[in-house]
Amino acid sequence: QVTLRESGPALVKPTQTLTLTCTFSGFSLSTSGMCVSWIRQPPGKALEWLALIDWDDDKYYSTSLKTRLTISKDTSKNQVVLTMTNMDPVDTATYYCARMDRRHDAFDIWGQGTMVTVSS
Amino acid sequence: QSALTQPASVSGSPGQSITISCTGTSSDVGGYNYVSWYQQHPGKAPKLMIYDVSNRPSGVSNRFSGSKSGNTASLTISGLQAEDEADYYCSSYTSSSTLSVVFGGGTKLTVL
Repeated sequence: QVTLRESGPALVKPTQTLTLTCTFSGFSLSTSGMCVSWIRQPPGKALEWLALIDWDDDKYYSTSLKTRLTISKDTSKNQVVLTMTNMDPVDTATYYCARMDRRHDAFDIWGQGTMVTVSS
Repeated sequence: QSALTQPASVSGSPGQSITISCTGTSSDVGGYNYVSWYQQHPGKAPKLMIYDVSNRPSGVSNRFSGSKSGNTASLTISGLQAEDEADYYCSSYTSSSTLSVVFGGGTKLTVL
């Protein structure tokens, strides 16, 4: 059974750096075609794709946020980490990690999401 | 990258069929058969309903179907049921500068 779980702080202050961890099981991120992505959703708004890391350690970022994002993986721990710098109240959202099989470019399994509020 | 365009809302009565459109460009929807659709109930994570334009994952009802024409993809739900009321999002691979994924703005489906 494939599962993903997000973890990180529920509250961060403006200008701080957010670090989120996605811990997964049931698949290996070293398997060809496997990827993990981060996606966020502000309250009442649409999904927004943020970043993706693939089996070959290639990384892709949203054009609008790429200067603030870093994605990395620890294959031995089955974890993917996202850092976002210079947090702002507009970054308040539920942050999801999701698995993607690059053969289909679809997110087939999602974590439950973690709500992050940016406030002083 | 710009979001794909979806209608903000659609509605239908139980038993009816509805279609949700998702319009992009030749750099995403029109250029690749990597369109997927997600269902999201309030407070829940999205669920994959359709991938590769028209394929259903195991366990998804055959009342859900997908298609594409040009730069517009569509999700059709037949035999509407109360539990279909949810938000629906399309996404597509994009060959824009990010070389990854773009989502639509979402469509709220109301079952009357």
